[in-house]
Amino acid sequence: NAGVTQTPKFRVLKTGQSMTLLCAQDMNHEYMYWYRQDPGMGLRLIHYSVGEGTTAKGEVPDGYNVSRLKKQNFLLGLESAAPSQTSVYFCAISGAYSNQPQHFGDGTRLSIL
Amino acid sequence: QKEVEQDPGPLSVPEGAIVSLNCTYSNSAFQYFMWYRQYSRKGPELLMYTYSSGNKEDGRFTAQVDKSSKYISLFIRDSQPSDSATYLCAASYSGAGSYQLTFGKGTKLSVIP
Repeated sequence: NAGVTQTPKFRVLKTGQSMTLLCAQDMNHEYMYWYRQDPGMGLRLIHYSVGEGTTAKGEVPDGYNVSRLKKQNFLLGLESAAPSQTSVYFCAISGAYSNQPQHFGDGTRLSIL
Repeated sequence: QKEVEQDPGPLSVPEGAIVSLNCTYSNSAFQYFMWYRQYSRKGPELLMYTYSSGNKEDGRFTAQVDKSSKYISLFIRDSQPSDSATYLCAASYSGAGSYQLTFGKGTKLSVIP
């Protein structure tokens, strides 16, 4: 999807375990985003980055950390997974100019038992 | 109240019907409006991208924005079974923070052969 690759595609974790989701882009876009999508809740922004080395909090950042050490990669970390973090996670990218549309990856399905 | 409201459906129509999908929004600062299509187990895919009020047509799809009533519509002509998906509307500001999108919760559409 528009040069956005998310790994893994599916994962099951136990409560308290940690893991990192990777988003990689080949479009050379400045902006990258992490969303979660839950039934009845729609897409909610977790964290985003407007450039290499920068990150910022979105609507639902608690329990997550992110890093953007390289322009093409945006990592989402769960330090101590909780069942409430069971969700589908989407990464998106957009250009640096104002109001560029966002393009999404195909998601990571995460289940926490 | 969420800034972008969308009827979740589900909406079921026969093949060939004209489909009308709608959203309302509350923030008059929104200037850019998008429609995304999301197939099951896939990421959202950008369908239409419009600025301010007016219509935009692309094949069988027409996006319409009425800023006076804060109403966003997507029309699908000659609907096909392949149009069966969840449709998400989204809006953004102009200027500072314009890279952040506000999504509706999505409307699930089924086109019956």
